[in-house]
Amino acid sequence: GAVVSQHPSWVICKSGTSVKIECRSLDFQATTMFWYRQFPKQSLMLMATSNEGSKATYEQGVEKDKFLINHASLTLSTLTVTSAHPEDSSFYICSALTGETQYFGPGTRLLVL
Amino acid sequence: AQSVTQLGSHVSVSEGALVLLRCNYSSSVPPYLFWYVQYPNQGLQLLLKYTTGATLVKGINGFEAEFKKSETSFHLTKPSAHMSDAAEYFCAVSRYSSGYSTLTFGKGTMLLVSP
Repeated sequence: GAVVSQHPSWVICKSGTSVKIECRSLDFQATTMFWYRQFPKQSLMLMATSNEGSKATYEQGVEKDKFLINHASLTLSTLTVTSAHPEDSSFYICSALTGETQYFGPGTRLLVL
Repeated sequence: AQSVTQLGSHVSVSEGALVLLRCNYSSSVPPYLFWYVQYPNQGLQLLLKYTTGATLVKGINGFEAEFKKSETSFHLTKPSAHMSDAAEYFCAVSRYSSGYSTLTFGKGTMLLVSP
């Protein structure tokens, strides 16, 4: 139980384009999901908290207009990186909260050329 | 504010040896504590968690951790390392606010297992 999927697992895009990443809780409903970013050999950095049916809460320093988050249902949250640039290249990981525990997706590696 | 300190960015053990990964936390309220494992290019997998009750917590793959309030520690152990245990391990403490819990992670410890 408590499986979280992400799609796509990796994506390469040109600078200036937008990329959408999906995060799904497969066998449970999640009112709250989280989006993290991880740089090589570093820990996870929380970007934003996504609540179903309401606006996301962004961490300090994260541009909300660049990283658009939509949590339209209890099993799906999406992160859209708008007008991506090479510095946005990273490993993006989502998690879904059930009870007091976060379950993580497998991650999406984004490379912006 | 909560914080997590993992001592040692890398820990090397031989196959069959004891694994000890250290985690100390600071929290203004009774903490919920977690250990996650990350294999290369993958997400995080929950190993074990402490919320309330028994302070010795058993997790998957033979790992266990003991919550010691007096030492503000939650060290992860495994009696006998296996090659497949080589991975990055993250300790985390949760904070409850605005109706949900968020996690604060340590910087991670890479476990290296040699034959």
